[in-house]
Amino acid sequence: IAGITQAPTSQILAAGRRMTLRCTQDMRHNAMYWYRQDLGLGLRLIHYSNTAGTTGKGEVPDGYSVSRANTDDFPLTLASAVPSQTSVYFCASSGSGGHNSPLHFGNGTRLTVT
Amino acid sequence: GQNIDQPTEMTATEGAIVQINCTYQTSGFNGLFWYQQHAGEAPTFLSYNVLDGLEEKGRFSSFLSRSKGYSYLLLKELQMKDSASYLCAGLDSNYQLIWGAGTKLIIKP
Repeated sequence: IAGITQAPTSQILAAGRRMTLRCTQDMRHNAMYWYRQDLGLGLRLIHYSNTAGTTGKGEVPDGYSVSRANTDDFPLTLASAVPSQTSVYFCASSGSGGHNSPLHFGNGTRLTVT
Repeated sequence: GQNIDQPTEMTATEGAIVQINCTYQTSGFNGLFWYQQHAGEAPTFLSYNVLDGLEEKGRFSSFLSRSKGYSYLLLKELQMKDSASYLCAGLDSNYQLIWGAGTKLIIKP
């Protein structure tokens, strides 16, 4: 792998179902993030993790949970999907250059909740 | 509230120059980023400005005026591959990124 890998690439999910979006990075970055991107809106932060073992809530955390068991993996779980969670989800990471380090993004997961 | 404003869409001609503006209102300020995002792809980093002035990187330049809460991205010698969305994001006093909705740039031959 090189960079950030997200899986699946796309998914159609029935409302009420549970779903985990996977994110793995091989850059040994400490900080990782989950964003959602909706048409006409800026990227919105769902959850973040500054280092393995810690997580924090972003702007739109409701209905989502994350874990950071190790440096490389940062899965995002939708416990019971709703149609408003239809979106494109991007995982990102940033290096040790401080808060102004640029984000590296995965290729995204396009999720449709029906 | 915190806000980033940028035009929704712009059109330019191949070989020309285009300037994409961004105005920001953030609680404190720790810099401004520009990212490029091709349709269906991930955003990629273009530039970061924290001091006033112009930063040049090849065909792309980014300008910041902290006193005016204003930035622009200047793209020169436009190529068809520059057709993409350009995202402006401000870093607030808590080092949280505030994102604009993006400017879709259409390049015509």
